[in-house]
Amino acid sequence: EIVLTQSPGTLSLSPGERATLSCRASQSVSSSYLAWYQQKPGQAPRLLIYGASSRATGIPDRFSGSGSGTDFTLTISRLEPEDFAVYYCQQYGSSPGFTFGPGTKVDIK
Amino acid sequence: EVQLVQSGAEVKKPGESLRISCKGSGYSFTSYWISWVRQMPGKGLEWMGRIDPSDSYTNYSPSFQGHVTISADKSISTAYLQWSSLKASDTAMYYCARRTVTRGFDYWGQGTLVTVSS
Repeated sequence: EIVLTQSPGTLSLSPGERATLSCRASQSVSSSYLAWYQQKPGQAPRLLIYGASSRATGIPDRFSGSGSGTDFTLTISRLEPEDFAVYYCQQYGSSPGFTFGPGTKVDIK
Repeated sequence: EVQLVQSGAEVKKPGESLRISCKGSGYSFTSYWISWVRQMPGKGLEWMGRIDPSDSYTNYSPSFQGHVTISADKSISTAYLQWSSLKASDTAMYYCARRTVTRGFDYWGQGTLVTVSS
């Protein structure tokens, strides 16, 4: 089973700043089947990025994903107030274990 | 419009059984796997297992194998997650999600809160 590690655990930033979130896999993620999700309190997760770098429908272009193999990054170019949330990475290519990372909380500094 | 609509919140006692549901609409239900995801209070997301509604083939995370059962009734486009004997540690929010081969989990249900308390 692929284990995902995310860093940092918490990122304290101000609106307008750039956020860089890291996700590292214990083994190579096949075909870059790596996704990022955003979750706000009381809400279901929302798909942001799939295939490591493709934005899901309706996701603003301030969100971007990069990486391959075992190292992946989610970047939010300029934080908007609605971007303060928890972000999870997930690998969805290695059945049966579609594992999630532990999450990075982006909060307001 | 694609939707996954889950059954309502449940309050149960330890040892009781429970089945919660996830009804898909707006797409071909048998064309996409459904996964179940647990989120314990204040914690992260845990993938529990998945079902292929076309043939009801299932896979489980080792952490949940033997503790829950995932099933589906394709005639009514509904997937289920069930417990035969609940424990207090099963208290959590449970989400269903549609898995696509290339785009990950693109649609999620609204979640079902399960509370197990004596």
